Amino acid sequence: GAVVSQHPSWVICKSGTSVKIECRSLDFQATTMFWYRQFPKQSLMLMATSNEGSKATYEQGVEKDKFLINHASLTLSTLTVTSAHPEDSSFYICSARDRGEQFFGPGTRLTVL
Amino acid sequence: AQSVTQLDSQVPVFEEAPVELRCNYSSSVSVYLFWYVQYPNQGLQLLLKYLSGSTLVKGINGFEAEFNKSQTSFHLRKPSVHISDTAEYFCAVSASNNFNKFYFGSGTKLNVKP
Repeated sequence: GAVVSQHPSWVICKSGTSVKIECRSLDFQATTMFWYRQFPKQSLMLMATSNEGSKATYEQGVEKDKFLINHASLTLSTLTVTSAHPEDSSFYICSARDRGEQFFGPGTRLTVL
Repeated sequence: AQSVTQLDSQVPVFEEAPVELRCNYSSSVSVYLFWYVQYPNQGLQLLLKYLSGSTLVKGINGFEAEFNKSQTSFHLRKPSVHISDTAEYFCAVSASNNFNKFYFGSGTKLNVKP
């Protein structure tokens, strides 16, 4: 099946700094990618839909100025957590669709100190 | 909107025993249903999916699931588990008219003991 990668796999940062997470479709082109967030022992929650060449669509309750999404090419979407705080610590997972099936990245664990 | 409940956060089972992981969903519209598996430090891998047709769906690695509309359930089963089945399992639902939006359960950790 198709492969989606994420980088970094884990990151630790200080409160107030910004962190960028990359999501790449390795062997297919993805005009649409999706960003999820997962708290410990909780569901994956869809944060936003990333559209190549246009603005992302955010789910209700997700701050678009806090979580900046850029989908500059057909194989890369980035999520930037701006001015991160400890409550932003979470597991972030991206996915992309290829021929009707969703493929998920391995996730990025963000810890904000 | 849709929602998914996985009642069991952890399921311990001995090798070669059968297992059932429970999933119930809520939706006001028709749905598609999925089971994903996540091994440590890896992405989610699709085990099986129900889109339409036969309510008994067979997936990879010997897993199967049955869609029960009246009970709004989509339980995952395997007749004989292996040590290698130890992983986290997620049930997910999407509205059939909005395939982009997935709603996930909180996951069930299957722990297969020798």
